[in-house]
Amino acid sequence: SQQGEEDPQALSIQEGENATMNCSYKTSINNLQWYRQNSGRGLVHLILIRSNEREKHSGRLRVTLDTSKKSSSLLITASRAADTASYFCATDSKTSYDKVIFGPGTSLSVIP
Amino acid sequence: DGGITQSPKYLFRKEGQNVTLSCEQNLNHDAMYWYRQDPGQGLRLIYYSQIVNDFQKGDIAEGYSVSREKKESFPLTVTSAQKNPTAFYLCASSISPPGVGQYFGPGTRLTVT
Repeated sequence: SQQGEEDPQALSIQEGENATMNCSYKTSINNLQWYRQNSGRGLVHLILIRSNEREKHSGRLRVTLDTSKKSSSLLITASRAADTASYFCATDSKTSYDKVIFGPGTSLSVIP
Repeated sequence: DGGITQSPKYLFRKEGQNVTLSCEQNLNHDAMYWYRQDPGQGLRLIYYSQIVNDFQKGDIAEGYSVSREKKESFPLTVTSAQKNPTAFYLCASSISPPGVGQYFGPGTRLTVT
């Protein structure tokens, strides 16, 4: 079974709006990461949040983590057409620490 | 430039043939990973290696094989036993387990007909 699962599956917004994506997971984690993938390309690491952290910022990105609900959210503020991509969360596991499991991703379209 | 490379970008093979996908990194990373991605889906782990001459099966290892003879290289062979090999294959590396902050290659799109 998947450790992480993103919601929504697809999101379409106008340029300048904020985009929020959610990730839920099932077992206790050490870290949760968010990655971005442009169509037909490899993934790019965006941000990591540790299990003892609740919020983290990087530029226009804001990630929150609620370990009691086993969920995380990725907020992209003031979106741009160049933010169009798929976004994946990846979680490790306290019992299987040597690998991470990726969710199915959220496909974000930012319309100019 | 440091990075992780995969070749070729596109690969076409006939059914029944084995094919080897290349993955090379010059980041001095200990851990390397192979993932498979099908259209509209997330990544599924095929094999991973934490150190030279050692590797472990991931979630979908059947029909695949790997080797890790050098730190820089982690080739993946898709064998004829793999029932549905057409997919996008991604290689990644990280400084050490547990795969925190993985660096990904550009991917190889394999089509088997």
